Formats: sequence, C-alpha cells, structure tokens
Amino acid sequence: EPEVTQTPSHQVTQMGQEVILRCVPISNHLYFYWYRQILGQKVEFLVSFYNNEISEKSEIFDDQFSVERPDGSNFTLKIRSTKLEDSAMYFCASRGGGQPQHFGDGTRLSIL
Amino acid sequence: DAKTTQPNSMESNEEEPVHLPCNHSTISGTDYIHWYRQLPSQGPEYVIHGLTSNVNNRMASLAIAEDRKSSTLILHRATLRDAAVYYCILKNSGAGSYQLTFGKGTKLSVIP
Repeated sequence: EPEVTQTPSHQVTQMGQEVILRCVPISNHLYFYWYRQILGQKVEFLVSFYNNEISEKSEIFDDQFSVERPDGSNFTLKIRSTKLEDSAMYFCASRGGGQPQHFGDGTRLSIL
Repeated sequence: DAKTTQPNSMESNEEEPVHLPCNHSTISGTDYIHWYRQLPSQGPEYVIHGLTSNVNNRMASLAIAEDRKSSTLILHRATLRDAAVYYCILKNSGAGSYQLTFGKGTKLSVIP
C-alpha cells in the first residue's frame, strides 16, 4: 500500500537556525497538509496546500513557517528561525479527491 | 466543525470486541463522522467514516445512531496492535481543504 514518507525521522537543531522537514506524499494525491503534535498534547493543524498554493493555515503557521512543493514529488515545511517551542512531532499528510487523509510517521524536531 | 465527546480511556481484553463511543449532539446534516487512530510513535491512521448508515471495512465497523447524535466504533476482535488513541472527528462535506481537528481521543489499552 502506498505510504507518505517523511525525512528525517529525528532532527536536532540549535535555536535560531533554519530547518527544513521533508515529505513525499502519495503520488496521485492532490491535497497536502502539515500538522504538529507537542509532546503529550493534541495533534494540531498547521497548513493545507492545493494547486501549488496554501489553501488554509492556522494561527500557529506564522511568518516563520513556509511550505513548498519544489519538484512535484516532495512537500517541505521550512521553519526560518526556530524557537524552543517549535520542538514537536511534525506530521505530513496527503489525500486524493474525496478521500481520507494519509499520514506519515512524522519527524521529531528537537530545538536546543 | 461540531464538537465531539469521547471517554478519556478504555480497556479491553485481547480477542474480545471493543465498542468505542462518541457523542456529537450538535452534528449538522452534512457532517461526516470520521475515525482515526494513532498508535504509539506513529502518525494518525484513517480507520473508517460514515454519514448516516452503518459502515464496515477490514479494520472496523461504524454504528451511527438514528438521530446521528452519537456513534460507536466497533473493533470486532481486539489485538495488542489495536492499542492506540482513537479520535472521532466530524467533517463537513462542504468544507474546502478538509483539515482535521483532533481532540484528545480515547486511549484504548488491550490486555493480553
């Protein structure tokens, strides 16, 4: 069965540094998402992306965050200047039209 | 999206059926009922969804009350691998990007 794959599985970064989290969605999917989950808390929506543009974003997704689909297969989340509170699991998801979302197993981001 | 209420935790013996309840008294006529689960250290995983009629798939069954104000996810024979947090999420069929709003869910423990 096709899967959403995320790399790296664990990223350790110094506060203030830029970080890029990578996702390869399922190949024929059209809608892409990023969520995050701070340890012990709920899964929170960050942003959705369709037709090469952001379709919705939450209050968490401020100017420090950006998303890109650079080559038709990868979907990336960039955090420009990381803060301690950005430490979390970040999940990528994708779906086809009228289909449920499929999630990757996440990238654990640790900010030191 | 309308709110759902689930018990914080439930226990089941291995190989016995499990009924996970969800209340959604403010559900609207176009809200679909979705169930996802999150196994330890993994991303959320789609389980099943329905609108009015009961639904079955290879993972589970979804029983929807006649007034649609509650639903029950049924695992017919719990295995240790079913130990996870189960989320009941309402999603309006007319909503654009289809972001998911996760609550705290029900943590299911399966006893060998």
